[in-house]
Amino acid sequence: RKEVEQDPGPFNVPEGATVAFNCTYSNSASQSFFWYRQDCRKEPKLLMSVYSSGNEDGRFTAQLNRASQYISLLIRDSKLSDSATYLCVVLDNYGQNFVFGPGTRLSVLP
Amino acid sequence: EPEVTQTPSHQVTQMGQEVILRCVPISNHLYFYWYRQILGQKVEFLVSFYNNEISEKSEIFDDQFSVERPDGSNFTLKIRSTKLEDSAMYFCAVSGTNNQPQHFGDGTRLSIL
Repeated sequence: RKEVEQDPGPFNVPEGATVAFNCTYSNSASQSFFWYRQDCRKEPKLLMSVYSSGNEDGRFTAQLNRASQYISLLIRDSKLSDSATYLCVVLDNYGQNFVFGPGTRLSVLP
Repeated sequence: EPEVTQTPSHQVTQMGQEVILRCVPISNHLYFYWYRQILGQKVEFLVSFYNNEISEKSEIFDDQFSVERPDGSNFTLKIRSTKLEDSAMYFCAVSGTNNQPQHFGDGTRLSIL
């Protein structure tokens, strides 16, 4: 099965910092990409879909580079509540299932 | 309001027993999925279900596992003859189409003793 890889982390940053997460995927036929966040022992929750043109939602910006098979997530002005594990998720175009990256853990410190 | 609820939230079972995990979608969804997450590891796909049949399954989803949607609402995962290594969080997910974001239930923590 094709894999999704992410920065190993953890990232420990002060409040207000800007932090970027990277993700690469190996299946060049993948069409849909997402960022989820997961709090400890909780379910993954959709943060944002990732579009080819890049997209922004408040403090969060996602970018997709199909040629490099690379996805990024930028968080500006980080808050304590942003502390979580960020999951890069790719829809396997050969099927209908999500392929999850291992996640990058973020701790925002006061 | 969550898109999907799961029961039980925690299940403790003796090794060798059978367990049934349940998922109840709140809204009309066409695609259903089960995932598992062993503590400290990544989320792993088990199976997808559409139009009352399995559309894809992973190598994890062997003969020990089965899924069904017996009454058109509940979506269940049955694990027969449980093993210690089946201990994990099991998440149900739903989506309206097969390329839309999936919405996850809050999971069932399965502990095999």
